[in-house]
Formats: sequence, C-alpha cells, structure tokens
Amino acid sequence: NAGVTQTPKFQVLKTGQSMTLQCAQDMNHNSMYWYRQDPGMGLRLIYYSASEGTTDKGEVPNGYNVSRLNKREFSLRLESAAPSQTSVYFCASNPQGTYEQYFGPGTRLTVT
Amino acid sequence: SQQGEEDPQALSIQEGENATMNCSYKTSINNLQWYRQNSGRGLVHLILIRSNEREKHSGRLRVTLDTSKKSSSLLITASRAADTASYFCATEGTSGSRLTFGEGTQLTVNP
Repeated sequence: NAGVTQTPKFQVLKTGQSMTLQCAQDMNHNSMYWYRQDPGMGLRLIYYSASEGTTDKGEVPNGYNVSRLNKREFSLRLESAAPSQTSVYFCASNPQGTYEQYFGPGTRLTVT
Repeated sequence: SQQGEEDPQALSIQEGENATMNCSYKTSINNLQWYRQNSGRGLVHLILIRSNEREKHSGRLRVTLDTSKKSSSLLITASRAADTASYFCATEGTSGSRLTFGEGTQLTVNP
C-alpha cells in the first residue's frame, strides 16, 4: 500500500492564482483531513470529510474549498492564493472506529 | 486556538539519555495521541492514551495522562540519534473525532 499520497510536493504561486492540491489514500479509510502547518503553530485543521459525500469546516477554512471526489480522494482548492497561505499542507486519513491518523508527505506551497 | 501546549519547545540531549516532553490541554478529551515528525516529512502516529488510562508503554515510549491537571508527558528512554524529530501531542475532544495539535517539541539527540 502507498498509504496517503499528495501531489504536488512543491508549488510556487503568484498572488491571485488558483490551484488544487490532490490527496489520495489506498487504505479504504472513511475520514480524510486537510491541515496546514506554519512555523511555531503546530497543525491547524482546514477541512475534513467524515465520509464520502460529506465535508465540514475546521479551524481555518477561509480561502479554501474542498471536494471529496470519492472514498479515496480528497482535494483542497485555493481559488485566489494569498501570501498568508504560504505553508506546508498535509492530508491525513483514518479508518472508521479508530483514532490514529495517517499522514501524507506534505505539499510545500509558497505564494509570492 | 491551539488546544495543546507543549513544553519544552526544544530539547537537546546526548544519546542514551532519557527525553521527557510535556503537553497541556484545555478541554475534556476522549484520548490524547503523540506523533513524531522527521524534518520535511509527514507525521507518524506513536501512541494513544485514552482518557480513562493513566499510563501506557510502547517499546521505549512511556506516556502518562493526568486528566485532573489536563496534562500528559511523553518519555523516550535510552534515546538514539534517530529519535531526532519534532514531537506533537494531539487531543480528541469529547464532541467529535477531530484532532487538535500542539505546537510541538523539537528533540535533538546528539551522538
């Protein structure tokens, strides 16, 4: 199993550009999550999806949209990137009935 | 706001020594988890302790939980250079399955 995969690994955007971060898991997990990690801030939850077809806002959803395309895939979209969205983005998943989360390798995004 | 606060922010020790990291949180929890993050990588789950447990062991890891003080500690015994990483506590609140992460402790184990 590949676990949780994320693409791209690195991305540089100009202010106002849009992009979609992709995440996929092959572990048949129900729940999926998007976090951002900033220096000294730990991880903050952007959006999550408890099951296919449902999404909910986390702590810092402004400026982002998500799509739970199917059970495997959960994408994060920045419609109009801002420098404040420069961060490392992590996708995670966990199976129903358990609490530990499995993380992808991250996407390092810079907005200039 | 962050649920967990970790202490210390950074810790540097010699190989073979024990490392202790602390985590405090603010609200009632179902469980508390510890994760490790190597530089430039994703987080890896280490251990989970439920709210009705006081201590748990896994290999060289020992976790304690004091719900009356809303605090937890992670002890790594006989540390190795390969233990160099950031360690995060994460709490699952009683209202749902979302995790709230602390800011992490950067552990450096010198060979």
